[in-house]
Amino acid sequence: GAGVSQSPSNKVTEKGKDVELRCDPISGHTALYWYRQSLGQGLEFLIYFQGNSAPDKSGLPSDRFSAERTGGSVSTLTIQRTQQEDSAVYLCASSLTGGDGYTFGSGTRLTVV
Amino acid sequence: QKEVEQNSGPLSVPEGAIASLNCTYSDRGSQSFFWYRQYSGKSPELIMFIYSNGDKEDGRFTAQLNKASQYVSLLIRDSQPSDSATYLCAVNRGTSYGKLTFGQGTILTVHP
Repeated sequence: GAGVSQSPSNKVTEKGKDVELRCDPISGHTALYWYRQSLGQGLEFLIYFQGNSAPDKSGLPSDRFSAERTGGSVSTLTIQRTQQEDSAVYLCASSLTGGDGYTFGSGTRLTVV
Repeated sequence: QKEVEQNSGPLSVPEGAIASLNCTYSDRGSQSFFWYRQYSGKSPELIMFIYSNGDKEDGRFTAQLNKASQYVSLLIRDSQPSDSATYLCAVNRGTSYGKLTFGQGTILTVHP
């Protein structure tokens, strides 16, 4: 597609439920990143996929968080047993070379009630 | 010490003035540096990136890098109200793939 597409744009879920967030990167971009941004905070790195390499999961805050990327394209971020502190905007980005920066999607605003 | 530090602001400048945004980083191995602009409620968008010491100009924007001082800045000339946003500095240890580490951002307000 022309840009990075994320869905849903908004998600309200009850504490303890599982959620899945989807990211469709720009066609041809081999690198895909997930960040989250809490209210008034900077961007917190979560996970990064590059081609067929093992993902860099160093930013995942707990084992409730996981992500996969199928076929080198679409990625899904899954949060199990959601907690209120998981409430944030989850941003996906993709990059062709990495060295020229990322293009971000419009984000998924997750609210855990 | 935070990996990437920015003054949170807000920085307020009059229309037409030069806005100067600063960023310091702690990892001497950092090789590539990025400036993003984020409007309220929107996702970040890339303004510029710089790898080499010195200045890089793109229209009204100039990025400046001093690796010895571990310092990168963004100058916005002839500031416009539409430049009012949060500006995020980001650093990559390499010049290719890899995660960016972001600063907390500086809020810029350009008043008419």
